[in-house]
Amino acid sequence: QKEVEQNSGPLSVPEGAIASLNCTYSDRGSQSFFWYRQYSGKSPELIMFIYSNGDKEDGRFTAQLNKASQYVSLLIRDSQPSDSATYLCAVNLVDSSYKLIFGSGTRLLVRP
Amino acid sequence: NAGVTQTPKFQVLKTGQSMTLQCAQDMNHNSMYWYRQDPGMGLRLIYYSASEGTTDKGEVPNGYNVSRLNKREFSLRLESAAPSQTSVYFCAAGGGETQYFGPGTRLLVL
Repeated sequence: QKEVEQNSGPLSVPEGAIASLNCTYSDRGSQSFFWYRQYSGKSPELIMFIYSNGDKEDGRFTAQLNKASQYVSLLIRDSQPSDSATYLCAVNLVDSSYKLIFGSGTRLLVRP
Repeated sequence: NAGVTQTPKFQVLKTGQSMTLQCAQDMNHNSMYWYRQDPGMGLRLIYYSASEGTTDKGEVPNGYNVSRLNKREFSLRLESAAPSQTSVYFCAAGGGETQYFGPGTRLLVL
């Protein structure tokens, strides 16, 4: 059974802090990893994707991938109340054509 | 560009009724997807279409059918709705490995 696991939260951080969101996956052959943000009542929107081990930075967001540990994380620097949302981790199945498996999401709350 | 559009936005059905959820994209992507999202759960893939004329089952296909009418449109049909199909349905279109989502359809089956 292929799985993507996330802590449901809520993860509560003060404004200006670093928020760290974590995700583990079970399929060792997974190649591509995605972070989506979903505001309440809205559709998921893509924040970042990462393919290679290491860090990938985009503005205040950094995605980190460790394939040996089957672990991917998202760091949000200088967190803002507008970052309060559910963050979904998704993994591309290695045996399919662009199908994604999603975790259940971590709810982030940034306190003013 | 509208991206991915879905109709209707909200629907109430009685058990046993049928309906079709519509999805259209103007991004010229080959792949399209239907997901459902239940409270506290992530997105679960119902069906997908890697290209015009092809469709394949995802994780939770039972009770649903799909049609890839052309490159732009991908519809999801519930032939006999059940309360367990109460959910929010998202359509997505994909270019390569990234997927872009429509606004969703909230479906309530009584």
